[in-house]
Amino acid sequence: AQTVTQSQPEMSVQEAETVTLSCTYDTSESDYYLFWYKQPPSRQMILVIRQEAYKQQNATENRFSVNFQKAAKSFSLKISDSQLGDAAMYFCAYRSPNTGNQFYFGTGTSLTVIP
Amino acid sequence: DAGVIQSPRHEVTEMGQEVTLRCKPISGHNSLFWYRQTMMRGLELLIYFNNNVPIDDSGMPEDRFSAKMPNASFSTLKIQPSEPRDSAVYFCASRYRGGSGELFFGEGSRLTVL
Repeated sequence: AQTVTQSQPEMSVQEAETVTLSCTYDTSESDYYLFWYKQPPSRQMILVIRQEAYKQQNATENRFSVNFQKAAKSFSLKISDSQLGDAAMYFCAYRSPNTGNQFYFGTGTSLTVIP
Repeated sequence: DAGVIQSPRHEVTEMGQEVTLRCKPISGHNSLFWYRQTMMRGLELLIYFNNNVPIDDSGMPEDRFSAKMPNASFSTLKIQPSEPRDSAVYFCASRYRGGSGELFFGEGSRLTVL
């Protein structure tokens, strides 16, 4: 089974600064999808950004961007101009189109934004 | 769209009681997932359905847990009898089986078993 590793249980960033959350995964597949989800204290999981493995271009959504390194099996999330509302738990997820469309989640990184 | 709707949002019950959690997926989505989240174990997949058919229930902890999806717009997760270790937040999520197919999550049901 695929595994997703988030090696940073906790991170902090000053408001307006940039922070990068790391994620690595283990797979033998060539086609897959990667996601970052945000879980604020309200606890609902919200999709932040997605990346298709066949696309070389890194995905970007406003202040959120990813650094997708397929060969290194790395998928980091960069948050620019951090805001207080960015404080949350962030989960990296992998979806396989082959194993019954199963999703694999990392253990999460808790991000604190310091005013 | 109303999103994935879960009920109840909070449930407090006593050990041994039956608990039923409900989920209405997003209209048009054909896959539905039940997850459990705890501090100790993180996010765990319990079971998922494709087109109302259970595909993988290997994450269901034991026979006390059961899940059904009688139609495309409704699913239940039942715990009978409940135990204190079942206390957790239970999430339902749905997706459309096409494209990147990201999951859309409900707000979760927080279960406390005393």
